[in-house]
Amino acid sequence: DQQVKQNSPSLSVQEGRISILNCDYTNSMFDYFLWYKKYPAEGPTFLISISSIKDKNEDGRFTVFLNKSAKHLSLHIVPSQPGDSAVYFCAASDNAGNMLTFGGGTRLMVKP
Amino acid sequence: KAGVTQTPRYLIKTRGQQVTLSCSPISGHRSVSWYQQTPGQGLQFLFEYFSETQRNKGNFPGRFSGRQFSNSRSEMNVSTLELGDSALYLCATTLAGYNEQFFGPGTRLTVL
Repeated sequence: DQQVKQNSPSLSVQEGRISILNCDYTNSMFDYFLWYKKYPAEGPTFLISISSIKDKNEDGRFTVFLNKSAKHLSLHIVPSQPGDSAVYFCAASDNAGNMLTFGGGTRLMVKP
Repeated sequence: KAGVTQTPRYLIKTRGQQVTLSCSPISGHRSVSWYQQTPGQGLQFLFEYFSETQRNKGNFPGRFSGRQFSNSRSEMNVSTLELGDSALYLCATTLAGYNEQFFGPGTRLTVL
């Protein structure tokens, strides 16, 4: 049973436009959510996170929105740049600590 | 600060052999988690160590084991290798009291 799902395996966006990556979860015990960016043959790079007590967190071009009632989070990248092309993973953890449950990833392609 | 380092970066083994992978955390990070990434199963949690004790364990067979040393460096061992163990093995470290995990570059294990 997949507790964290990214239903879009890929997304293509024009440079300068907004990229929106979505993630759904089923486990109500999850209270911390993270987004990672990954290039092939490299480890994931931490991008941004959000605690369940918030509904929005911003860091530069990246904003994460959390809708607890819908068990949904999204990552907005504005403006998108070609260097943003990578696979993006959302991950969740519960208050027990350091076990991340990952979604399957969304491949983002930003076209110049 | 140096990032998370993993050695070796690439490894080729044959079925039935055993393998040991190493992870050195970011200075000051005492929690070390291990993940397996495969095309079919995505990123899956193996186990987490803190202060030389295993705190969490994922759903992997007993052939997968780990340990942590007093300097927080960690090793994971896979015995009696199977073809399906071919994967990218990632280590992630965390500062106590924080949820963000920072990943190393991974060890690519190929089992022939």
